[in-house]
Amino acid sequence: AQKVTQAQTEISVVEKEDVTLDCVYETRDTTYYLFWYKQPPSGELVFLIRRNSFDEQNEISGRYSWNFQKSTSSFNFTITASQVVDSAVYFCALSEADYGQNFVFGPGTRLSVLP
Amino acid sequence: DTEVTQTPKHLVMGMTNKKSLKCEQHMGHRAMYWYKQKAKKPPELMFVYSYEKLSINESVPSRFSPECPNSSLLNLHLHALQPEDSALYLCASSQSGTSGTDTQYFGPGTRLTVL
Repeated sequence: AQKVTQAQTEISVVEKEDVTLDCVYETRDTTYYLFWYKQPPSGELVFLIRRNSFDEQNEISGRYSWNFQKSTSSFNFTITASQVVDSAVYFCALSEADYGQNFVFGPGTRLSVLP
Repeated sequence: DTEVTQTPKHLVMGMTNKKSLKCEQHMGHRAMYWYKQKAKKPPELMFVYSYEKLSINESVPSRFSPECPNSSLLNLHLHALQPEDSALYLCASSQSGTSGTDTQYFGPGTRLTVL
């Protein structure tokens, strides 16, 4: 069965600090995709990244970076020099190639960036 | 352009009312989704439409009735709801009508309150 764990329920940091959000997943499939979404207080889920199981290269996009490690089934997300606008709930999600159109979302991590 | 629009933004209804939620996308996506999200929880999949046909119904009560009039529109008809149905209802779309691993793009949601 698919499963996504985000062990950090809530994190608070002071602006300009770096913060890492953890995501650990379980799957029996060899082909799968991992996603990160941001949900600000307005409610909309904003897509951040999609990564397939065959691409373990780390990715950097501005202040955001992602570390994918199949050996530990983790797909962690780091925000460098955090800003107040980064305050949101962040969801990690898993989709298996053979499982149809169903994402499995983690429980989310609420990040508060304090000025 | 990765915009999914939803109307209304907020809806308050009584348990005997009939109302509809509307979702629209003009990205040429062939799959559309309804999710329900309770406070402090991840989104839960309700329905999936692929090529305008219902492909997944996650055992949703019949008081929720989806409809896909065309490839750009998705409706959710509501009737005889219960107070526990109060939640944020999110619509999403993805490019492929057959792959479960495409990125899903979400709308801003409709915040529903059932009195």
